[in-house]
Amino acid sequence: DVKVTQSSRYLVKRTGEKVFLECVQDMDHENMFWYRQDPGLGLRLIYFSYDVKMKEKGDIPEGYSVSREKKERFSLILESASTNQTSMYLCASSLSGWGYNEQFFGPGTRLTVL
Amino acid sequence: GNSVTQMEGPVTLSEEAFLTINCTYTATGYPSLFWYVQYPGEGLQLLLKATKADDKGSNKGFEATYRKETTSFHLEKGSVQVSDSAVYFCALSETLQGAQKLVFGQGTRLTINP
Repeated sequence: DVKVTQSSRYLVKRTGEKVFLECVQDMDHENMFWYRQDPGLGLRLIYFSYDVKMKEKGDIPEGYSVSREKKERFSLILESASTNQTSMYLCASSLSGWGYNEQFFGPGTRLTVL
Repeated sequence: GNSVTQMEGPVTLSEEAFLTINCTYTATGYPSLFWYVQYPGEGLQLLLKATKADDKGSNKGFEATYRKETTSFHLEKGSVQVSDSAVYFCALSETLQGAQKLVFGQGTRLTINP
């Protein structure tokens, strides 16, 4: 079974802190994604990566950056956390290739910024 | 850009009731369509998908038909169970830099009472 794990289920940080959210997948997937989930807004794509050291902006990249140094690991970085970044963050991974490849999701990290 | 609109929630039903969750989309081209489900405390799981017009996706008693003429992908189940209580997301896929990106609706929270 595909497994996507996220480093924390719950995280509380203070405004201005640098925050790292880690995601690891164990199925050798090329693509990895970071979403944030907010009530009434569904999931919105922050960044994705289609290969090691490659990254592309999603729909809401402002205030975030990412790092992918190894194929299995994709990190989301909040350079200076703000209260409006309080949210649920979901990581996903998928194979690349022609046609649609299912995205597999981690359990999420609920981040609270005080 | 592409978008997905789901019926407003929350939806509360009694066990064995008939379920419909409406989903309509706006897209250029012919995207694949999906329903994902999020059980309490978990990440999203693919429930069913349809890749072309008139395709019917089905899984666990749930069904949805890709209707190009009405740009819809409504989720239905004939007899719901308490274990179906979850948040349901309709989504479409679009290609971005060779990766399949998902565009999600806002989600519909479903509660089934015994």
